[in-house]
Amino acid sequence: AQSVSQHNHHVILSEAASLELGCNYSYGGTVNLFWYVQYPGQHLQLLLKYFSGDPLVKGIKGFEAEFIKSKFSFNLRKPSVQWSDTAEYFCAVNTGFQKLVFGTGTRLLVSP
Amino acid sequence: EAQVTQNPRYLITVTGKKLTVTCSQNMNHEYMSWYRQDPGLGLRQIYYSMNVEVTDKGDVPEGYKVSRKEKRNFPLILESPSPNQTSLYFCASRSEVRDTQYFGPGTRLTVL
Repeated sequence: AQSVSQHNHHVILSEAASLELGCNYSYGGTVNLFWYVQYPGQHLQLLLKYFSGDPLVKGIKGFEAEFIKSKFSFNLRKPSVQWSDTAEYFCAVNTGFQKLVFGTGTRLLVSP
Repeated sequence: EAQVTQNPRYLITVTGKKLTVTCSQNMNHEYMSWYRQDPGLGLRQIYYSMNVEVTDKGDVPEGYKVSRKEKRNFPLILESPSPNQTSLYFCASRSEVRDTQYFGPGTRLTVL
């Protein structure tokens, strides 16, 4: 079965620090990859997605992610985080079986 | 405004008392699904529907029912809720064109 691993469950950073959240998936075929963000008390919102083409994708709010097919990874990055980036981040994979498989999430706390 | 709505947003109930959580989308999406979100487990799919009168089980369907009589509505039914169904529930609909899921605001359910 397809699975998605997010290795960092909790991350604490100071403002202006750089961020990288890991995401690995297990599936050998073609995948569509997503990062969603959930701000406190809110629903999930799409940050960015990768379907094909340039493996470096840019999303909203200065986030980007890089798809490395050989490593089955889709890590999320941001050069300089802000207090407002405090949220929970979910990586998700769609393998075409009508199901979006989510990772367990990473809680990011940015201290001012 | 394109959106997915859920009602109620918060619900406290007792074991065995049947309840329904409604979900409605105004984007004419064919695909809809229900997830539950639990700490440390991320989002897990309960049921999904590819179109009217077409539903199928996700990863954690036990104790839940759904129906899809109209394209816009996809209610989640708990015939006899139990405390282990205390969770945060999200409904989502998916754009076929964008292959992106849009999430509702969530329903926090507590079963005593």
